[in-house]
Amino acid sequence: AQKVTQAQTEISVVEKEDVTLDCVYETRDTTYYLFWYKQPPSGELVFLIRRNSFDEQNEISGRYSWNFQKSTSSFNFTITASQVVDSAVYFCALSEAKVNTGFQKLVFGTGTRLLVSP
Amino acid sequence: DAGITQSPRHKVTETGTPVTLRCHQTENHRYMYWYRQDPGHGLRLIHYSYGVKDTDKGEVSDGYSVSRSKTEDFLLTLESATSSQTSVYFCAISGGRLAPGNEQFFGPGTRLTVL
Repeated sequence: AQKVTQAQTEISVVEKEDVTLDCVYETRDTTYYLFWYKQPPSGELVFLIRRNSFDEQNEISGRYSWNFQKSTSSFNFTITASQVVDSAVYFCALSEAKVNTGFQKLVFGTGTRLLVSP
Repeated sequence: DAGITQSPRHKVTETGTPVTLRCHQTENHRYMYWYRQDPGHGLRLIHYSYGVKDTDKGEVSDGYSVSRSKTEDFLLTLESATSSQTSVYFCAISGGRLAPGNEQFFGPGTRLTVL
């Protein structure tokens, strides 16, 4: 069975600090996708990134970066120079890959609440 | 146009009453999903659809049924609501313009309270 663990329930930082959100996953599939979603206080779910199991390159998007390591089954998310607007709950998710069909059954972690204070 | 809407956005009901939540999309996405979000559990898949009249169960389907008679609408029904079904319900879509790359695009959510 697939499983996603986000051991950090809540993290508090002061603005401009760097913060890393951990995600560890379990799957028997050799082909799978990993995702990060953001849920700000307003409640909507915002897609941040998708990574497939064949692509272990790290990705950077502005202040956001992701580190995917198959050897440790981890897909960690780092926010550099955090801002108050980064305050949200962040979810990591995993799905088996129905290649290029668009169909995904996502398994979510329990989320990490990030509080960034001024 | 938001692309995906949910109605109602908030509902309070009593134990034992039937409740139907609606998810409506305007972008002709093939796949639709219903999740519930609860503290300490993240989001869990209830049911999903891979086409008109084609649906299947997810991880937490007991007490729920779904129907999809048109591409654009995916209904979630609680036949007899219980307090354990108090939750925030999210609809999601994939396989189309709003979610072209295997990710899912989520609706705004429905907060359901069962008294």
